[in-house]
Amino acid sequence: EDKVVQSPLSLVVHEGDTVTLNCSYEVTNFRSLLWYKQEKKAPTFLFMLTSSGIEKKSGRLSSILDKKELFSILNITATQTGDSAIYLCAEGDYYGGSQGNLIFGKGTKLSVKP
Amino acid sequence: DAGITQSPRHKVTETGTPVTLRCHQTENHRYMYWYRQDPGHGLRLIHYSYGVKDTDKGEVSDGYSVSRSKTEDFLLTLESATSSQTSVYFCAISDPGQGAAGYTFGSGTRLTVV
Repeated sequence: EDKVVQSPLSLVVHEGDTVTLNCSYEVTNFRSLLWYKQEKKAPTFLFMLTSSGIEKKSGRLSSILDKKELFSILNITATQTGDSAIYLCAEGDYYGGSQGNLIFGKGTKLSVKP
Repeated sequence: DAGITQSPRHKVTETGTPVTLRCHQTENHRYMYWYRQDPGHGLRLIHYSYGVKDTDKGEVSDGYSVSRSKTEDFLLTLESATSSQTSVYFCAISDPGQGAAGYTFGSGTRLTVV
């Protein structure tokens, strides 16, 4: 059975800290690894990773994929209270389609305290 | 979210009653999906549609049916609601064709079955 496992499930840090969120996966046919941020409503897309070892970066957020070890990490540097959210990892095809179901992990709930 | 609207936003219903949730899009995307999100489970696919009148089951389809009579609308029906169907339901759209558009999620419908 295909699965995605995230750790930790919850995390409390203080503003300015750096955090690393983990995502491991076991799937029959790997498509891509996706990261989403979910605040109170809809998940919003952060990164899509398909190639091993290539870092994707957006401001203070970055992510990398290791296809040999079947995991990805999401780093957030200099955290701010606005980073408080649930971070979701998913395996799947970002563009959807007939194989377009996304397999989600349970999420990591990040709380950033002032 | 722009281009995708879910209704109602919140609903409380009694066990055994039928319930229909609506997802409406203005993006003319081919694919539409229904996911449910529960604590401890992440998001799981219920059903998806790959065109008008074309639908297929997802991971957790038991107790749910769907219909898509127009490109823009995808309806999720709980024929006889049960307490185990209390959840947050998310609709998503995508289009893997020319000018591919990735997954976009709606804002969710919080359903409580009492």
